[in-house]
Amino acid sequence: GEDVEQSLFLSVREGDSSVINCTYTDSSSTYLYWYKQEPGAGLQLLTYIFSNMDMKQDQRLTVLLNKKDKHLSLRIADTQTGDSAIYFCAEREGYSTLTFGKGTMLLVSP
Amino acid sequence: DTEVTQTPKHLVMGMTNKKSLKCEQHMGHRAMYWYKQKAKKPPELMFVYSYEKLSINESVPSRFSPECPNSSLLNLHLHALQPEDSALYLCASTPDSSYEQYFGPGTRLTVT
Repeated sequence: GEDVEQSLFLSVREGDSSVINCTYTDSSSTYLYWYKQEPGAGLQLLTYIFSNMDMKQDQRLTVLLNKKDKHLSLRIADTQTGDSAIYFCAEREGYSTLTFGKGTMLLVSP
Repeated sequence: DTEVTQTPKHLVMGMTNKKSLKCEQHMGHRAMYWYKQKAKKPPELMFVYSYEKLSINESVPSRFSPECPNSSLLNLHLHALQPEDSALYLCASTPDSSYEQYFGPGTRLTVT
């Protein structure tokens, strides 16, 4: 079955770059997503990447996809305290439903 | 506009109560979802509606009853819930021609 793995916790200082990693097992995944969830809130879609892409950049966010290793990463440049949240990686095959990782808690200290 | 709204924001109910959660989107999205999320866990899919018809039920107990009265509205009717059903209930929707799934802010449900 599908499985999405993430490290559970990442701590960085304000102004540093953060890199959150994700691995997945389903080789037929077509779309991979990053969601952000702040305490008590819903999930905010940050960005997604199609499986035929290697990289996608959107302002401070850079997504890298290594399809051979089934590895996805999210880099946040110039991390701010407002970036503190749980980040979920998710994968999707075609029109099927999302499979989420367990989430990585990012803590940004001043 | 990518807004999915959910009401109420918080709900406390007893195990014998009947209540409903409401989700709305006016983006013309034809797929809508209910998820359950426990603290510090990823969302778990409960139901999927596609073109107002139930297409996926992830073996959810019958004390949860979804309803899709029209293409903009999704309800979740609750009856005889258990304390372990306390969680954040999230609604989401997806446009026809896109793979983006947008989430609402959730309803925090506490069953006493």
